Amino acid sequence: QSVLTQPPSASGTPGQRVTISCSGSSSNIGSNTVNWYQQLPGTAPKLLIYSNNQRPSGVPDRFSGSKSGTSASLAISGLQSEDEADYYCAAWDHSLSVWVFGGGTKLTVL
Amino acid sequence: EVQLVESGGGLVQPGGSLRLSCAASGFTFSGFWMHWVRQAPGKGLVWVSRIYSDGSHTIYADSVKGRFTISRDNAKNTLYLQMNSLRAEDTAVYYCARDCSNGDYHWFDPWGQGTLVTVSS
Repeated sequence: QSVLTQPPSASGTPGQRVTISCSGSSSNIGSNTVNWYQQLPGTAPKLLIYSNNQRPSGVPDRFSGSKSGTSASLAISGLQSEDEADYYCAAWDHSLSVWVFGGGTKLTVL
Repeated sequence: EVQLVESGGGLVQPGGSLRLSCAASGFTFSGFWMHWVRQAPGKGLVWVSRIYSDGSHTIYADSVKGRFTISRDNAKNTLYLQMNSLRAEDTAVYYCARDCSNGDYHWFDPWGQGTLVTVSS
């Protein structure tokens, strides 16, 4: 049972826009920023979004992040086949004094 | 190029020990906090431990507290994870990751390729 809650799966067709939610509490998302990681099949995780909505250099602007209260969202527009991956949200939890991750969302491009 | 390369994984019996290493290159290793994160087969990411840049402060997930020790050798640009009293549930790919910060907030970038630890008799 992960501290942050994500839907286990999401899907879309090429060109569509999909969103992945991440729900937490006042001790993590509610008081800290959210980061998103992309894990392509068989590879290590890669930073996708940091500080709620910042994209590292090299990440396409099709990827965007937002946060409101104790929830965050990752949006992917213009869905492409290479976006098929697992996506994880993460945040520092100041009550537990640990980093917490969501359980991950497997994105399928139909 | 910023790079992290883990090593030291393998098969170990329950109750045994293993030391993982993470060799850093392409950046000033001594200036960054570092983390270990693990991923059990077919499961999600779980944070394990963090160490300050000078090694002065460490924190652990409850599941490994008292059994695992994170450390670093800044002269060798290497991060370590000493794992003792290993259990079947410690079986996972272990990733090291660099901590990046803008002062107030942190994130992990980059991650190493991971090293597999299998605890089984």
